[in-house]
Amino acid sequence: DAGITQSPRHKVTETGTPVTLRCHQTENHRYMYWYRQDPGHGLRLIHYSYGVKDTDKGEVSDGYSVSRSKTEDFLLTLESATSSQTSVYFCAISESPGGGSYEQYFGPGTRLTVT
Amino acid sequence: GENVEQHPSTLSVQEGDSAVIKCTYSDSASNYFPWYKQELGKGPQLIIDIRSNVGEKKDQRIAVTLNKTAKHFSLHITETQPEDSAVYFCADGGSNYKLTFGKGTLLTVNP
Repeated sequence: DAGITQSPRHKVTETGTPVTLRCHQTENHRYMYWYRQDPGHGLRLIHYSYGVKDTDKGEVSDGYSVSRSKTEDFLLTLESATSSQTSVYFCAISESPGGGSYEQYFGPGTRLTVT
Repeated sequence: GENVEQHPSTLSVQEGDSAVIKCTYSDSASNYFPWYKQELGKGPQLIIDIRSNVGEKKDQRIAVTLNKTAKHFSLHITETQPEDSAVYFCADGGSNYKLTFGKGTLLTVNP
């Protein structure tokens, strides 16, 4: 998984509770992404980061926030979890596209269940 | 990329046959098209990609073709094996560093 770890790998939480998922990389890549994967929807981008403290929204960002205080860590927070956020969450990393490189490499995923 | 259509959603072939999965995209500025393979319980794995300056790329039993005029690209797997069974995703790199994914194709290779 290209030096990417996600924690926790599985989590069950109750509606209304805050949840933070962590992505850690050892590749020193500049770009990091959070996706969610749901049946019938494929992979959808939640938020991404193009450097330390530089983040932007993806197509399904409502209800999520992110933070990146170090190159190696990208955190995804659900401030108040809802059942619609039950999903499998994947982190991905990419080098700078400055040289035309867009390859994204994915972590193993976190399965989140909101009851 | 803005929108990526992927077909078929499921594909069943006999071992040794070829499999073809097709994707269409809408952003004429797109210039990067990767394919990912996802096995059950794992993250997507990049298997091959193509950039807009070439029409075809091969890597052993897999190949990708790109038709920029028609805005479509395809994954070709020859001599399929049971271990090729997985979900395959195409993606469109658009004109920036974000990927837009198709909804996936479940490929089943029957022994």
